[in-house]
Amino acid sequence: AQTVTQSQPEMSVQEAETVTLSCTYDTSESNYYLFWYKQPPSRQMILVIRQEAYKQQNATENRFSVNFQKAAKSFSLKISDSQLGDTAMYFCAFSSNTGKLIFGQGTTLQVKP
Amino acid sequence: GAVVSQHPSRVICKSGTSVKIECRSLDFQATTMFWYRQFPKKSLMLMATSNEGSKATYEQGVEKDKFLINHASLTLSTLTVTSAHPEDSSFYICSAREGGQGNYGYTFGSGTRLTVV
Repeated sequence: AQTVTQSQPEMSVQEAETVTLSCTYDTSESNYYLFWYKQPPSRQMILVIRQEAYKQQNATENRFSVNFQKAAKSFSLKISDSQLGDTAMYFCAFSSNTGKLIFGQGTTLQVKP
Repeated sequence: GAVVSQHPSRVICKSGTSVKIECRSLDFQATTMFWYRQFPKKSLMLMATSNEGSKATYEQGVEKDKFLINHASLTLSTLTVTSAHPEDSSFYICSAREGGQGNYGYTFGSGTRLTVV
């Protein structure tokens, strides 16, 4: 069974600084997808970034980038130039041939002014 | 972009009654929809996967008779909490997978906060 682990329950960062959220996963699949979702206080799930496992190049979306280490089964999210609006709960997620999207425990990020 | 509409956003029901939550894909056909349950400041726990025209697949530990899922069309899936009890109070979220994007595109509804009194 696939599992996703986020070992940082809470993180904080100063506005304009950079923060990295950690995620590890376990799977025996060779083809899969990894995601980072943001859940602000409204609780709407918002896709931040996604990565296909067969692509070696790390995905980037503006201030958000990932460090995908397939051999280590690690998928960390780096947020550059943090903004107050980045304050939210962040979930790492995994999907494979079953189609199910499995989430990690989440990391609550607080951006401080 | 793809939009999933989930209703109601909040519902309060009496213990022992049933409540239905709807999840609609507004601008795409969703052959597969997923239902999650989330406790405060916790992760999303997958409850079941629904496929249009077939029976839902429930995750281990989820009571099929309590959480009835119907995926009658390519744009609508419903979750009915039957004989609700206070312990069923939670935040329920649906997600639809966009056809053609495989395991790459998931769109979420805005969630339903259920309170059973």
